[in-house]
Amino acid sequence: GAVVSQHPSRVICKSGTSVKIECRSLDFQATTMFWYRQFPKQSLMLMATSNEGSKATYEQGVEKDKFLINHASLTLSTLTVTSAHPEDSSFYICSARNSVNSPLHFGNGTRLTVT
Amino acid sequence: AQSVTQLDSQVPVFEEAPVELRCNYSSSVSVYLFWYVQYPNQGLQLLLKYLSGSTLVKGINGFEAEFNKSQTSFHLRKPSVHISDTAEYFCAVSGNAGKSTFGDGTTLTVKP
Repeated sequence: GAVVSQHPSRVICKSGTSVKIECRSLDFQATTMFWYRQFPKQSLMLMATSNEGSKATYEQGVEKDKFLINHASLTLSTLTVTSAHPEDSSFYICSARNSVNSPLHFGNGTRLTVT
Repeated sequence: AQSVTQLDSQVPVFEEAPVELRCNYSSSVSVYLFWYVQYPNQGLQLLLKYLSGSTLVKGINGFEAEFNKSQTSFHLRKPSVHISDTAEYFCAVSGNAGKSTFGDGTTLTVKP
Protein backbone atom coordinates (compact mmCIF):
# COMPACT_ATOMS: atom_id res chain seq x y z
CA GLY A 1 0.00 0.00 0.00
CA ALA A 2 0.82 3.71 0.17
CA VAL A 3 1.91 4.18 -3.42
CA VAL A 4 2.74 7.58 -4.84
CA SER A 5 2.92 7.97 -8.59
CA GLN A 6 4.90 10.82 -10.11
CA HIS A 7 4.71 11.68 -13.79
CA PRO A 8 6.60 12.21 -16.01
CA SER A 9 9.78 10.45 -14.95
CA ARG A 10 11.86 12.41 -17.45
CA VAL A 11 11.16 15.57 -19.40
CA ILE A 12 13.23 17.73 -21.70
CA CYS A 13 11.97 21.17 -22.55
CA LYS A 14 13.19 24.33 -24.19
CA SER A 15 14.11 27.41 -22.28
CA GLY A 16 11.11 29.67 -21.74
CA THR A 17 8.48 26.96 -21.79
CA SER A 18 6.51 25.60 -18.84
CA VAL A 19 6.48 22.06 -17.52
CA LYS A 20 3.90 20.41 -15.30
CA ILE A 21 4.76 17.52 -12.97
CA GLU A 22 2.01 15.45 -11.37
CA CYS A 23 2.08 13.64 -8.05
CA ARG A 24 -0.73 11.22 -7.21
CA SER A 25 -1.40 9.14 -4.13
CA LEU A 26 -2.90 5.98 -5.54
CA ASP A 27 -4.30 4.17 -2.52
CA PHE A 28 -4.60 6.75 0.24
CA GLN A 29 -5.75 10.28 0.75
CA ALA A 30 -2.86 12.67 1.10
CA THR A 31 -3.73 15.63 3.26
CA THR A 32 -0.25 17.01 2.71
CA MET A 33 2.18 16.68 -0.15
CA PHE A 34 5.72 17.97 -0.32
CA TRP A 35 7.86 18.99 -3.27
CA TYR A 36 11.63 18.66 -3.19
CA ARG A 37 14.51 19.43 -5.45
CA GLN A 38 17.61 17.30 -5.38
CA PHE A 39 20.96 18.20 -6.88
CA PRO A 40 23.47 15.47 -7.74
CA LYS A 41 25.04 13.82 -4.71
CA GLN A 42 23.05 16.04 -2.37
CA SER A 43 20.13 15.71 -0.02
CA LEU A 44 16.57 16.74 -0.68
CA MET A 45 15.81 20.42 -0.54
CA LEU A 46 12.23 21.10 0.50
CA MET A 47 10.64 23.57 -1.89
CA ALA A 48 7.09 23.76 -0.63
CA THR A 49 4.37 22.12 1.41
CA SER A 50 1.08 21.57 -0.35
CA ASN A 51 -2.13 21.17 1.62
CA GLU A 52 -5.33 20.13 -0.09
CA GLY A 53 -7.64 23.05 -0.72
CA SER A 54 -5.28 25.76 0.42
CA LYS A 55 -2.30 27.68 -0.87
CA ALA A 56 1.07 26.03 -0.75
CA THR A 57 3.63 27.12 1.78
CA TYR A 58 6.95 27.87 0.12
CA GLU A 59 10.35 27.62 1.74
CA GLN A 60 12.54 30.67 1.93
CA GLY A 61 14.24 31.41 -1.35
CA VAL A 62 11.78 29.47 -3.52
CA GLU A 63 9.94 31.66 -6.02
CA LYS A 64 6.24 30.94 -5.77
CA ASP A 65 5.51 32.55 -9.13
CA LYS A 66 8.03 30.33 -10.82
CA PHE A 67 7.13 27.08 -9.13
CA LEU A 68 3.35 26.94 -9.13
CA ILE A 69 1.81 24.31 -6.90
CA ASN A 70 -1.78 23.17 -7.00
CA HIS A 71 -3.31 20.61 -4.64
CA ALA A 72 -6.87 20.45 -5.88
CA SER A 73 -7.79 17.07 -4.44
CA LEU A 74 -6.69 14.67 -1.74
CA THR A 75 -4.92 12.52 -4.30
CA LEU A 76 -3.28 14.98 -6.68
CA SER A 77 -0.77 17.76 -6.44
CA THR A 78 0.95 19.41 -9.40
CA LEU A 79 4.14 21.43 -9.70
CA THR A 80 4.46 23.69 -12.73
CA VAL A 81 7.86 25.11 -13.54
CA THR A 82 7.08 28.29 -15.45
CA SER A 83 9.39 29.95 -17.97
CA ALA A 84 11.98 27.28 -17.39
CA HIS A 85 15.68 28.12 -17.57
CA PRO A 86 18.65 25.75 -17.81
CA GLU A 87 19.41 26.34 -14.12
CA ASP A 88 16.03 24.80 -13.30
CA SER A 89 17.35 21.49 -14.57
CA SER A 90 17.24 19.12 -11.62
CA PHE A 91 15.62 16.08 -10.09
CA TYR A 92 12.24 16.93 -8.58
CA ILE A 93 10.61 14.58 -6.07
CA CYS A 94 7.22 14.65 -4.42
CA SER A 95 6.11 12.94 -1.25
CA ALA A 96 2.79 12.49 0.48
CA ARG A 97 1.45 11.48 3.83
CA ASN A 98 -2.02 10.87 5.20
CA SER A 99 -1.50 12.20 8.72
CA VAL A 100 0.93 14.33 10.67
CA ASN A 101 4.16 12.50 11.51
CA SER A 102 3.27 9.42 9.51
CA PRO A 103 6.07 8.27 7.18
CA LEU A 104 6.44 10.00 3.88
CA HIS A 105 5.72 8.09 0.71
CA PHE A 106 7.77 9.25 -2.22
CA GLY A 107 7.22 9.38 -5.94
CA ASN A 108 10.00 8.12 -8.18
CA GLY A 109 11.06 11.61 -9.13
CA THR A 110 11.15 13.63 -12.34
CA ARG A 111 14.39 14.43 -14.14
CA LEU A 112 13.91 17.85 -15.75
CA THR A 113 16.37 19.02 -18.37
CA VAL A 114 15.97 22.50 -19.79
CA THR A 115 17.87 23.16 -23.02
CA ALA B 1 14.27 23.91 15.18
CA GLN B 2 15.36 20.43 14.28
CA SER B 3 18.39 19.13 12.43
CA VAL B 4 19.94 15.88 11.32
CA THR B 5 23.62 15.05 10.97
CA GLN B 6 24.76 11.99 9.11
CA LEU B 7 28.31 11.57 10.26
CA ASP B 8 29.64 9.68 7.26
CA SER B 9 29.17 10.88 3.70
CA GLN B 10 30.54 7.66 2.23
CA VAL B 11 30.81 4.17 3.66
CA PRO B 12 32.60 1.52 1.59
CA VAL B 13 32.25 -2.04 2.83
CA PHE B 14 32.83 -5.54 1.53
CA GLU B 15 29.98 -7.88 0.79
CA GLU B 16 28.75 -9.91 3.80
CA ALA B 17 30.43 -7.52 6.25
CA PRO B 18 28.39 -5.67 8.89
CA VAL B 19 27.69 -1.99 8.44
CA GLU B 20 26.57 0.93 10.58
CA LEU B 21 25.40 4.25 9.19
CA ARG B 22 25.41 6.94 11.81
CA CYS B 23 22.76 9.57 12.41
CA ASN B 24 22.46 12.19 15.11
CA TYR B 25 19.60 14.62 15.49
CA SER B 26 18.62 17.66 17.48
CA SER B 27 15.14 18.87 18.25
CA SER B 28 13.35 20.91 20.86
CA VAL B 29 10.29 18.65 20.75
CA SER B 30 9.61 14.94 20.70
CA VAL B 31 10.58 13.47 17.39
CA TYR B 32 9.81 10.68 15.03
CA LEU B 33 12.78 9.20 13.20
CA PHE B 34 13.07 7.55 9.83
CA TRP B 35 15.61 5.98 7.52
CA TYR B 36 15.04 6.05 3.78
CA VAL B 37 16.98 4.46 0.91
CA GLN B 38 17.36 5.96 -2.54
CA TYR B 39 18.52 4.02 -5.58
CA PRO B 40 19.85 5.93 -8.61
CA ASN B 41 17.28 8.07 -10.39
CA GLN B 42 14.49 7.00 -8.08
CA GLY B 43 12.54 8.45 -5.20
CA LEU B 44 13.07 7.48 -1.58
CA GLN B 45 11.80 4.28 -0.01
CA LEU B 46 11.10 3.91 3.70
CA LEU B 47 13.44 1.44 5.41
CA LEU B 48 12.18 1.79 8.96
CA LYS B 49 10.70 4.24 11.42
CA TYR B 50 10.69 4.99 15.13
CA LEU B 51 7.49 6.54 16.44
CA SER B 52 7.35 5.24 20.03
CA GLY B 53 7.78 2.06 22.06
CA SER B 54 10.74 -0.26 21.66
CA THR B 55 13.92 1.61 20.87
CA LEU B 56 15.14 -1.14 18.56
CA VAL B 57 13.23 -1.08 15.31
CA LYS B 58 13.49 -3.53 12.47
CA GLY B 59 12.89 -2.60 8.88
CA ILE B 60 12.96 -4.05 5.42
CA ASN B 61 15.91 -5.76 3.75
CA GLY B 62 17.39 -6.88 7.09
CA PHE B 63 18.12 -3.38 8.39
CA GLU B 64 17.54 -2.27 11.95
CA ALA B 65 18.11 0.91 13.93
CA GLU B 66 18.28 1.84 17.57
CA PHE B 67 16.85 5.04 19.00
CA ASN B 68 19.08 6.42 21.75
CA LYS B 69 17.46 9.42 23.37
CA SER B 70 20.36 10.29 25.67
CA GLN B 71 22.79 10.35 22.75
CA THR B 72 20.21 11.74 20.32
CA SER B 73 21.19 9.10 17.83
CA PHE B 74 19.42 6.75 15.46
CA HIS B 75 22.11 4.63 13.83
CA LEU B 76 21.23 2.18 11.08
CA ARG B 77 22.77 -1.29 11.08
CA LYS B 78 22.82 -4.43 9.02
CA PRO B 79 24.79 -7.54 10.10
CA SER B 80 25.65 -8.68 6.57
CA VAL B 81 25.35 -6.49 3.49
CA HIS B 82 24.76 -7.46 -0.13
CA ILE B 83 25.86 -5.84 -3.35
CA SER B 84 22.23 -4.79 -3.85
CA ASP B 85 22.39 -2.64 -0.71
CA THR B 86 24.57 -0.16 -2.58
CA ALA B 87 22.53 3.06 -2.49
CA GLU B 88 22.12 6.43 -0.82
CA TYR B 89 20.68 6.37 2.68
CA PHE B 90 18.93 9.30 4.34
CA CYS B 91 18.10 9.78 7.98
CA ALA B 92 15.13 12.04 8.68
CA VAL B 93 13.43 13.54 11.69
CA SER B 94 9.85 14.75 11.92
CA GLY B 95 8.53 16.64 14.86
CA ASN B 96 7.83 20.26 14.22
CA ALA B 97 4.31 20.33 12.84
CA GLY B 98 5.08 17.26 10.83
CA LYS B 99 7.77 18.83 8.67
CA SER B 100 10.58 16.40 7.93
CA THR B 101 14.24 17.35 7.97
CA PHE B 102 16.69 15.16 6.09
CA GLY B 103 20.35 14.53 6.64
CA ASP B 104 22.83 15.02 3.81
CA GLY B 105 22.83 11.32 3.04
CA THR B 106 25.36 8.50 3.26
CA THR B 107 26.52 6.67 0.19
CA LEU B 108 26.87 2.99 0.99
CA THR B 109 29.04 1.13 -1.51
CA VAL B 110 29.21 -2.65 -1.13
CA LYS B 111 32.19 -4.19 -2.85
CA PRO B 112 32.52 -7.83 -3.88
